[in-house]
Amino acid sequence: SQTIHQWPATLVQPVGSPLSLECTVEGTSNPNLYWYRQAAGRGLQLLFYSVGIGQISSEVPQNLSASRPQDRQFILSSKKLLLSDSGFYLCAWSIKQTYGYTFGSGTRLTVV
Amino acid sequence: AQKITQTQPGMFVQEKEAVTLDCTYDTSDQSYGLFWYKQPSSGEMIFLIYQGSYDEQNATEGRYSLNFQKARKSANLVISASQLGDSAMYFCAMSPKGDFQKLVFGTGTRLLVSP
Repeated sequence: SQTIHQWPATLVQPVGSPLSLECTVEGTSNPNLYWYRQAAGRGLQLLFYSVGIGQISSEVPQNLSASRPQDRQFILSSKKLLLSDSGFYLCAWSIKQTYGYTFGSGTRLTVV
Repeated sequence: AQKITQTQPGMFVQEKEAVTLDCTYDTSDQSYGLFWYKQPSSGEMIFLIYQGSYDEQNATEGRYSLNFQKARKSANLVISASQLGDSAMYFCAMSPKGDFQKLVFGTGTRLLVSP
């Protein structure tokens, strides 16, 4: 069966520090991968998506970047965090030509 | 561009009663999918139900049903026989059908089920 792992679950980072959040998927090949952010009390905003290794599309200009070094690994990074980067980050995957996502358990990031 | 509107920031229902969460959408696509997700306080997003734009029958999954009215562009979620564990945020979302699906989410409705 397919599973998605996302870590860490919570993170408190100072302003200006780097960030690396990792997401891995098991039990499937060549999935579409996504990073979403949810600000407090808000809906989800798509940040990045990837349809294959090394293929990254950005939806919103921001202080973040994403990489997909392996088929089932998706990484969200920042060189210098801003206060506005605080939020709940969710990784998700989907199988091409089908519908719907499966989400990871999320990372709650607080930038202080 | 696609847009999802959820006009109910919060809803209250008593245990064992039914509740309807509203969702309207806007799209120029002919083929699309509509979804409902549940987000409990733990934060995880749980898929509840899916409706394709060409599906003739309303989708049902256990106590969840989707009241799909294509002409009105609405996709309301109906939860029957509410349980205390149904208390959570509920998000309506849509995507075009294609090789990748970029879900567009509404702002959510917080449902509180009381004993």
